[in-house]
Formats: sequence, structure tokens, C-alpha cells
Amino acid sequence: AQSVSQHNHHVILSEAASLELGCNYSYGGTVNLFWYVQYPGQHLQLLLKYFSGDPLVKGIKGFEAEFIKSKFSFNLRKPSVQWSDTAEYFCAVYSGGGADGLTFGKGTHLIIQP
Amino acid sequence: DGGITQSPKYLFRKEGQNVTLSCEQNLNHDAMYWYRQDPGQGLRLIYYSQIVNDFQKGDIAEGYSVSREKKESFPLTVTSAQKNPTAFYLCASSIDLGPTFQQFFGPGTRLTVL
Repeated sequence: AQSVSQHNHHVILSEAASLELGCNYSYGGTVNLFWYVQYPGQHLQLLLKYFSGDPLVKGIKGFEAEFIKSKFSFNLRKPSVQWSDTAEYFCAVYSGGGADGLTFGKGTHLIIQP
Repeated sequence: DGGITQSPKYLFRKEGQNVTLSCEQNLNHDAMYWYRQDPGQGLRLIYYSQIVNDFQKGDIAEGYSVSREKKESFPLTVTSAQKNPTAFYLCASSIDLGPTFQQFFGPGTRLTVL
């Protein structure tokens, strides 16, 4: 079974700081990659996704992520965070083969201090 | 307004009782899922269904049961056999299981066992 590792469980930053959240996965084949965000009291929603093509993908709210196949990584970045970015962030990897081919990381709780 | 609805938002039950969580979608998606979310654990797959009248166990199916009699509905029953049922439960549906796989999530139900 594949695994997804998010390196930081809790991250605290000040507004305007740059953000990078790590995500590594174990599956060696073709993957689809996702970052989801869960704002306090809200639905889990898709930030961005990678299926194929340009490994640098841009999502909503100024977020981007880079797929580095050789490192099995899909790190999430934002150059300047805002207080409203406080949320839980989940990386997910789909390796195909059925509905149970989607694996989530354990999440990173991001707190932005004003 | 298309989407996934889960009810109720908060649910309390006494130990030893079965309880059923509702999930309805009007996105015309074939596949539906139930996840359990615990702090620091990410999302763990309980059951999923790729088509009406068919469903499969996920990683943590013990103590849970589901049915899929209609495409729009995928209720989850938390039975008294589930040893630690207090958690946040998320329902999801997906557009397909091919290369453009993407999941959409409901708002969740928080179950507390007293």
C-alpha cells in the first residue's frame, strides 16, 4: 500500500511570510496529486491538482505546487501568506486501480499570526 | 445548487446504539465514499461505492455498514461494534476513476458518543 507523508503537523507563520508545506509519497507509478484545504468550520475543498503536463501547477488563492517525480514530492507553496490562510492542509495521491487508490496525508495545521 | 449534503451536522448518541449518517449528492457522480477524520490522522477510508448496489470496504470498515440503493444516496451506519466512534465523518463523491479523478466533499457530521 502506498503512503503519503506530510512532514509538518503544525506550522506557525507571521503574515507575509513565505510558505512551503512538504508532501512525499511512496508509489512509483503514475499518480494524480492533490492539495485540499479545510478552513475552520468549512468543507474540505480542492486547492490544486496535478494530472499531467507542466509540473508546476497553480491553484486558488495564490497557492502553487511543484511535482518533482524524482523526489516523489508535491510541495505546496505560497510566497506571502495571509491571516485567512489559517486552515488544515491535506496532500492526497491517487495511484489508480479503484476508489481505494486515493491516499491522504495526515494533514498540516497552519496558523498565521497577524 | 449542486453539491453534497450531510445531515445532521452534529450527532450525539449513547454508547451501544446504532446511528445512521446521511449523505446525498446531486452531482450525478457514480462513486461515493465515507471517510473518518481524527486529529493528526488525516482522512481514513471507511467504505466506498463505485456504482449503485455495490460497495467495498476501505481501510477501517470494522464497526460500520453502508448501503447504496440509489445513485444519489450513500448512508453510513455506525454500529455498536465500532469501538471508538466519536469522530468527524466526511462523505465524498468523485467524477470518475480515470486519469481525471477528483473528489468533492460534503460538510461533514461530527458524531459524539456519550
